[in-house]
Order: sequence, then structure tokens, then C-alpha cells
Amino acid sequence: GESVGLHLPTLSVQEGDNSIINCAYSNSASDYFIWYKQESGKGPQFIIDIRSNMDKRQGQRVTVLLNKTVKHLSLQIAATQPGDSAVYFCAENTGSGGSNYKLTFGKGTLLTVNP
Amino acid sequence: DSGVTQTPKHLITATGQRVTLRCSPRSGDLSVYWYQQSLDQGLQFLIQYYNGEERAKGNILERFSAQQFPDLHSELNLSSLELGDSALYFCASSARAVLDTQYFGPGTRLTVL
Repeated sequence: GESVGLHLPTLSVQEGDNSIINCAYSNSASDYFIWYKQESGKGPQFIIDIRSNMDKRQGQRVTVLLNKTVKHLSLQIAATQPGDSAVYFCAENTGSGGSNYKLTFGKGTLLTVNP
Repeated sequence: DSGVTQTPKHLITATGQRVTLRCSPRSGDLSVYWYQQSLDQGLQFLIQYYNGEERAKGNILERFSAQQFPDLHSELNLSSLELGDSALYFCASSARAVLDTQYFGPGTRLTVL
């Protein structure tokens, strides 16, 4: 049969603008969330994480917001630079129980930064 | 550079064959994870080992197996390979077994012809 590739959502921004990448997660019991960045030909690179007892966490130029009511996660990148161009994945811990750790990744968003 | 190393970088083989992918975690990390990334399935968790023992299992086929050795490096064995097994295989490591940042290696690109 025909193979259907992933059709990634895309976001195109101008250099210097702020970027917001959104993610809807599946499991209301998920207690840990991570954002990863993947550049072409490389492995995913950790950006920032957040636990379910928080609704906001800030890093260097990045902020993650967690809305548990609607199961929504967002990544905000301030002053986006060409080097931020990559695919961004959100991941949630869907392991059951405190001793089970299993990350489930979203399909990713392709961010393109135009100079 | 995440500190996680994977070999080989590329692997081309034929259907029905068996291959072994190798991963060395970051210094001090006890937990190793394997993932498969393909165009149609995205990034899928396969299996986790912690300090030599299997800790969690994901969407790993019975034809696939893994182990973690006393020196903490890990190997992923893929047997009876099919065309659909062509993918990027990533290893990640973390210090602890749960709720810890996972650092990914550069991946092994497997092509099954």
C-alpha cells in the first residue's frame, strides 16, 4: 500500500519575532512534559521540561506553559533566530504509576525562521 | 554534543538479516532508552533499561531485543529484518530511571533493502 508520511504542522516566522509552538497531549494523568528540538540529521535535543504541578517554567529565551484543563502545552521562543529552525517535539510521560517512565512524543512542528 | 554515542552511524542490510546497534550513555547515566523514528510513525519509544535491568517496554517488536551491559552500554538487536524496519534508531540516556531529562545520541540510520 501507499506509505503516508507525517504531515508536520509548520510555523514560519521572521527573525527577531517571538514564536509559539503548540501541542495537545493525550493523557490527563501525564505528570511530566518535555520539549525537544531536532535539527536535520541530528538527534532530539532537550530544550525545557515541566512537571504537572507547575503551569509555567522559563529557561533562556524559552518558556513552557502547561494548561492541564484543556491538556495543552506550548513553547514560546523569544527573539527567534535562524538557528532555532528545526522540528520541535513535545513529549509527555504516559507511564502509569510513579515508577513507570515512558515518553510519548507528538508528531512535531517544523519551525522555519526567515532572516 | 549530548555525550551519548551511537555506532554505527549508517547501516545498510538486506531483508531477513540481523543487525546490532550500539549505544554508550553519558558518563554517570544509569538509564538507557531506545527509540525508532520513521516518517510514518514519528518517534516511538521501544524499551528502557536501568542499571542493567529492563525497566519499561514500548512498541518493541518481538523480532527486536535489547540489553544493557555491566559497563552500562546498551545494544539493540534487530532480527529477521523487513523493509519497514528502515528508520532512524536513537538511544537516549538519563541519570535516573524516572522523570529525568533524556539526552539523545546522534542516531543510527538503518536501511533495509
